Amino acid sequence: KAGVTQTPRYLIKTRGQQVTLSCSPISGHRSVSWYQQTPGQGLQFLFEYFSETQRNKGNFPGRFSGRQFSNSRSEMNVSTLELGDSALYLCASSHTPDSRNYGYTFGSGTRLTVV
Amino acid sequence: AQSVAQPEDQVNVAEGNPLTVKCTYSVSGNPYLFWYVQYPNRGLQFLLKYITGDNLVKGSYGFEAEFNKSQTSFHLKKPSALVSDSALYFCAVRGSSGNTPLVFGKGTRLSVIA
Repeated sequence: KAGVTQTPRYLIKTRGQQVTLSCSPISGHRSVSWYQQTPGQGLQFLFEYFSETQRNKGNFPGRFSGRQFSNSRSEMNVSTLELGDSALYLCASSHTPDSRNYGYTFGSGTRLTVV
Repeated sequence: AQSVAQPEDQVNVAEGNPLTVKCTYSVSGNPYLFWYVQYPNRGLQFLLKYITGDNLVKGSYGFEAEFNKSQTSFHLKKPSALVSDSALYFCAVRGSSGNTPLVFGKGTRLSVIA
């Protein structure tokens, strides 16, 4: 079966612009989490969604937002981009929030570069 | 708040030698512990987990990890390293109580030298 699909794979944006990243979880998975990966900070938790509801939010400014649709696909949006937002954004899915205890499945990520 | 520490940014080991990648954690309640591996330009792949039961857990590709509650550690080990094991390894934890996200360490880069 298809894995977690993240689009686009690469993005280059200019400071001040906004960007939307998409994640399609594995079929049947209804829980989606987003992480930001940077070389110095490792993986930092952004959001978790389940059945269109945000269950958890990490310690990021309000410029970072997300949502989940009825088909479990999720999007995250970053407004007023800053150079420091350059990172690999990873999406992970599981059947339910509890089943993350048995391991997430990660997508390959979207590499965002802000210039 | 829960947290994970991976004290080594880089671990170098000769092929055929045993390897250890260290991880310590802090969490409320009982921990759920995980190791993931990341190859270049890829997402993370699940290696193994500790939920409950035996302190020594075995995972993919010959890796294992030992849960030590008193030392709050969950070190990743492999008896004989392969060059193909070279990658970035992440330890992660979440507490068993409450609605808490999975928290990752900063990662340890493993280089296995032929």
